Amino acid sequence: AQSVTQLGSHVSVSEGALVLLRCNYSSSVPPYLFWYVQYPNQGLQLLLKYTSAATLVKGINGFEAEFKKSETSFHLTKPSAHMSDAAEYFCAVRRGREYGNKLVFGAGTILRVKS
Amino acid sequence: DTAVSQTPKYLVTQMGNDKSIKCEQNLGHDTMYWYKQDSKKFLKIMFSYNNKELIINETVPNRFSPKSPDKAHLNLHINSLELGDSAVYFCASSQDDSSGNTIYFGEGSWLTVV
Repeated sequence: AQSVTQLGSHVSVSEGALVLLRCNYSSSVPPYLFWYVQYPNQGLQLLLKYTSAATLVKGINGFEAEFKKSETSFHLTKPSAHMSDAAEYFCAVRRGREYGNKLVFGAGTILRVKS
Repeated sequence: DTAVSQTPKYLVTQMGNDKSIKCEQNLGHDTMYWYKQDSKKFLKIMFSYNNKELIINETVPNRFSPKSPDKAHLNLHINSLELGDSAVYFCASSQDDSSGNTIYFGEGSWLTVV
């Protein structure tokens, strides 16, 4: 079965500091990986996704993530945090139809940005 | 011009009632989903439909019945509501059910059962 682990349910950074949100996946075959963001009382918005085209994926709002097969990781980073980045971030994994084809989410990481 | 829209956004109802949440997507997608986000913000798929055909049906109580009248709509009907049904329900859609496709989510429907 596939699963996703997000290390740290809460991350706090200062404005202008590096953002690093950790995600490790468990999958016996290369998966598709996604990062979504959820602002308070809103739906989920896709930040970026990995579909095997390139290991370094750039997304919206200055975020990027690197797929590292050897570490089974897909950590999300942003060089300089803005106040508007405060939200909850979800890592998700999906495999093909033969594996159920479900988008499975991690538990989420709440990002707090201090001024 | 909302891509995935669901109504109502907020719903407060009593135990035992029957309620429906409607969902429509104007993206021309073939696949639609319902996800549930519990009080701890954990997200889990409930159902998915591809071209009006049910393809994923997680271990959801029979009180939950999805209905897809056409590819653009996937409604969720819940019978005999229980306190534990209180959650945020997200409708979503994707081009088809290929794994690499982006899944687009609606704004959510906050259901509170009292």
